Amino acid sequence: GAVVSQHPSRVICKSGTSVKIECRSLDFQATTMFWYRQFPKQSLMLMATSNEGSKATYEQGVEKDKFLINHASLTLSTLTVTSAHPEDSSFYICSASFGGYEQYFGPGTRLTVT
Amino acid sequence: AQSVTQPDIHITVSEGASLELRCNYSYGATPYLFWYVQSPGQGLQLLLKYFSGDTLVQGIKGFEAEFKRSQSSFNLRKPSVHWSDAAEYFCAVYNAGNNRKLIWGLGTSLAVNP
Repeated sequence: GAVVSQHPSRVICKSGTSVKIECRSLDFQATTMFWYRQFPKQSLMLMATSNEGSKATYEQGVEKDKFLINHASLTLSTLTVTSAHPEDSSFYICSASFGGYEQYFGPGTRLTVT
Repeated sequence: AQSVTQPDIHITVSEGASLELRCNYSYGATPYLFWYVQSPGQGLQLLLKYFSGDTLVQGIKGFEAEFKRSQSSFNLRKPSVHWSDAAEYFCAVYNAGNNRKLIWGLGTSLAVNP
C-alpha cells in the first residue's frame, strides 16, 4: 500500500515553455503533498507543501509564480514549472501523506530544459 | 534549530563486509526518525523508521538502526553488504512543529567493491 506515482518520469522541454508534473496517490487519500527538488549528488530540497483544497505553502527562496502547485483532490497534486529555463533542470520528487508522520515518495521526474 | 548530520559523505566497503552509516540529529522533542535509500535516478525507498518503543529497529533488505537518545544518533547498520546496496542513503527527522516536514541529512553515498 501507500503507492505514489509521478508522471512523466522524464521530460525535455524548450526554454520558455511550461511543464506540468503530476503526482498521484494511488491507494490512499493524501491530505498533504510535498514537492522536492534534488540537484545531482545532493539532498532533497523541499519546495512547497500543499494541503488539499488550500494554497500551497512555499519554502523561502522558492518562486511561487514560477513553480505553480495545485492540490485539487485528495489523490492528485500538480507542479507546473512556468517559463522554464535551463537552470530549472533538475530531479523533482513528490511525496504524499495522509496526516501521519510518514511521507510516501514518488519515483521522481527528470526535467531537462534545453 | 532542528538539523540532521550525516558525517560521512562517501563510504566504500567490500561486498560481504559490515556497514554502519552515521546519523546525528538535533531536535528538541522526541524525534521521529527515518532512513531512506535512493538508487541512481530513482525515488526514495523507506528502509526503516523509529517512532517509539524498542530502540533497535529492523528494516527491509537486512538493515537495522539503533536510536540512542544520549548520543542523539540513529545509525544505520547492515552485517553483510551486497553489491546491490550501492546507493545514496538519507537520514531524516520529522518536524512535528508548525510546518510538519522532514528535515534531511545531506546523504551518504555508498560504494561496494566486489
